[in-house]
Amino acid sequence: QVQLQESGPGLVKPSQTLSLTCTVSGASISTDRYYWSWIRQTAGKGLEWIGRAYSSGTVNYSPSLGSRVTISLDTSKNQFSLKLSSVTAADTAVYYCATDYTGYFGFWGQGTLVTVSS
Amino acid sequence: DIQMTQSPSTLSASVGDRVIITCRASQSISSWLAWYQQKPGKAPQLLIYKASSLESGVPSRFSGSGSGTEFTLTISSLQPDDFATYYCQQYNNYWTFGQGTKVEIK
Repeated sequence: QVQLQESGPGLVKPSQTLSLTCTVSGASISTDRYYWSWIRQTAGKGLEWIGRAYSSGTVNYSPSLGSRVTISLDTSKNQFSLKLSSVTAADTAVYYCATDYTGYFGFWGQGTLVTVSS
Repeated sequence: DIQMTQSPSTLSASVGDRVIITCRASQSISSWLAWYQQKPGKAPQLLIYKASSLESGVPSRFSGSGSGTEFTLTISSLQPDDFATYYCQQYNNYWTFGQGTKVEIK
């Protein structure tokens, strides 16, 4: 059973960079079994895929967010991270990390609310 | 972008009812579709993948069907634990979710 736990600031100021970490247990992020993904959920837009990273170094980002997003893996800590730059109120959401196995999301973190406000 | 449209948005049903939720894709996605259940304050939970494959541990009253652009999630006999919001998700071209169907108590 893979377990994931998001962590990071719950409040970010507009124009700053949102940074979140996902700590993984029950699997190594170096595995070739999963991609490691970030998904967010808002009341207005629902569930939105942000991007994913793979142990090979491959990363894929949502075209609508692409240039603002960076996802990276830290194999020494068995964690992966999300950075979203130049945030606005529209980036206020519950952020989830999840495993991506051939495209669907089998294991999810509990989610963390990030509010963008001054 | 591939758009996913679920219907209905809200469904009122009673325990024991057969429930059917529909998901339509804006273009063909073959069978690259998953279904999730989400309860308030919790993360979505995978129910079905590849349109009709039941995730391990998910009760057999849940089933999925369809291919191309039209898909359904069926709950054969609604149980008290099934009142929740359900989402479809395509993974044929990037990843997009439907807007959700809330199953509420009638």
